[in-house]
Amino acid sequence: NAGVTQTPKFRILKIGQSMTLQCTQDMNHNYMYWYRQDPGMGLKLIYYSVGAGITDKGEVPNGYNVSRSTTEDFPLRLELAAPSQTSVYFCASSYAGGGEQFFGPGTRLTVL
Amino acid sequence: AQSVTQPDIHITVSEGASLELRCNYSYGATPYLFWYVQSPGQGLQLLLKYFSGDTLVQGIKGFEAEFKRSQSSFNLRKPSVHWSDAAEYFCAVAAGSSGDKLTFGTGTRLAVRP
Repeated sequence: NAGVTQTPKFRILKIGQSMTLQCTQDMNHNYMYWYRQDPGMGLKLIYYSVGAGITDKGEVPNGYNVSRSTTEDFPLRLELAAPSQTSVYFCASSYAGGGEQFFGPGTRLTVL
Repeated sequence: AQSVTQPDIHITVSEGASLELRCNYSYGATPYLFWYVQSPGQGLQLLLKYFSGDTLVQGIKGFEAEFKRSQSSFNLRKPSVHWSDAAEYFCAVAAGSSGDKLTFGTGTRLAVRP
């Protein structure tokens, strides 16, 4: 039981490049989330999903896209990377809303 | 909209001393409240949560927290701190119709003096 896994662990992008951050959970959780963490700012919710085929915006969705075709996977897409997207990204999952969220180890992204 | 305030950015305590980390929330209804801990370079781990019932909740690693509705607070406590407790601590409130969206505070970084 691996829990929540994220790839890659680190990535450096040039301005304007695109990439997908991968997130997979093996706990059969319905809910999945993407957060970004900036120094001194706590975690901000980017997007979340309450089940396959259903996604919704969080607090800071601009510049990102998501899809949820399976229960296990919830990839986060950056289409035109900008320096403001330099951050640590965490994926999380929970069985139900309001329940404990289980976090992945994070992806550290730098946009230069 | 809901919000969480953690007024202490950094706290240093001596090993064996007691600890209290402050958390104040703003939310119109009965909140779901959480404390998470993040060790350096790691993801977040749940310490404890409050949904309803007893206002004093026990968590892992010897932590507890008390929900005080009148003060809109959910402070985290530990009677005797260990060096391994050095980490960053986040308070969070869950909102939305099903409590599925967490709003985090900015965190308190705890250092433990030998």
